[in-house]
Amino acid sequence: KQEVTQIPAALSVPEGENLVLNCSFTDSAIYNLQWFRQDPGKGLTSLLLIQSSQREQTSGRLNASLDKSSGRSTLYIAASQPGDSATYLCAVRATGNQFYFGTGTSLTVIP
Amino acid sequence: DAGITQSPRYKITETGRQVTLMCHQTWSHSYMFWYRQDLGHGLRLIYYSAAADITDKGEVSDGYVVSRSKTENFPLTLESATRSQTSVYFCASSDDAFFYEQYFGPGTRLTVT
Repeated sequence: KQEVTQIPAALSVPEGENLVLNCSFTDSAIYNLQWFRQDPGKGLTSLLLIQSSQREQTSGRLNASLDKSSGRSTLYIAASQPGDSATYLCAVRATGNQFYFGTGTSLTVIP
Repeated sequence: DAGITQSPRYKITETGRQVTLMCHQTWSHSYMFWYRQDLGHGLRLIYYSAAADITDKGEVSDGYVVSRSKTENFPLTLESATRSQTSVYFCASSDDAFFYEQYFGPGTRLTVT
């Protein structure tokens, strides 16, 4: 069974800092990996989707990379802002239309 | 409203009762999903549907039933609610399970007493 891990569980940084969030998965046989943000009491908002054949995706200040062979993905956030404070989740699509989520990294950006 | 909606947003029910959570999407996405989110477990897939009248189990399907008679609706039924089913339930949709993003609804917070 696929296991998805996100470390650290919580992260606090000063505004303006660049930061990296980590996601690791145990089975490299994935079709894609998606990063989400979740605000308290809200649903999930899609940030980036990386196909298994891709190495990275970029959207604005966000850059996500994927190293399938090592079972790792990183989400890079440039010039962090207080509005970036949220929980960030990664999810992998495995065989059989199964999706597995990590438990998330709670990010706080301090003004 | 465009997008994906869930109802009710909050529900309190008693052990043993049947509960149905509704999910509606306006994009005509072929795939729809139900997840539950619990502290310490993250989101876990309950059921998914690839098209109308096609459904399949996820990781934690015991005690749940789904149907999909129309593309836009994907109700989730707890046949006999148990306290362990207290959770936040999210519905999601995607145009394709391989290449396209999943879009999530706002969630339903269910408490079973």
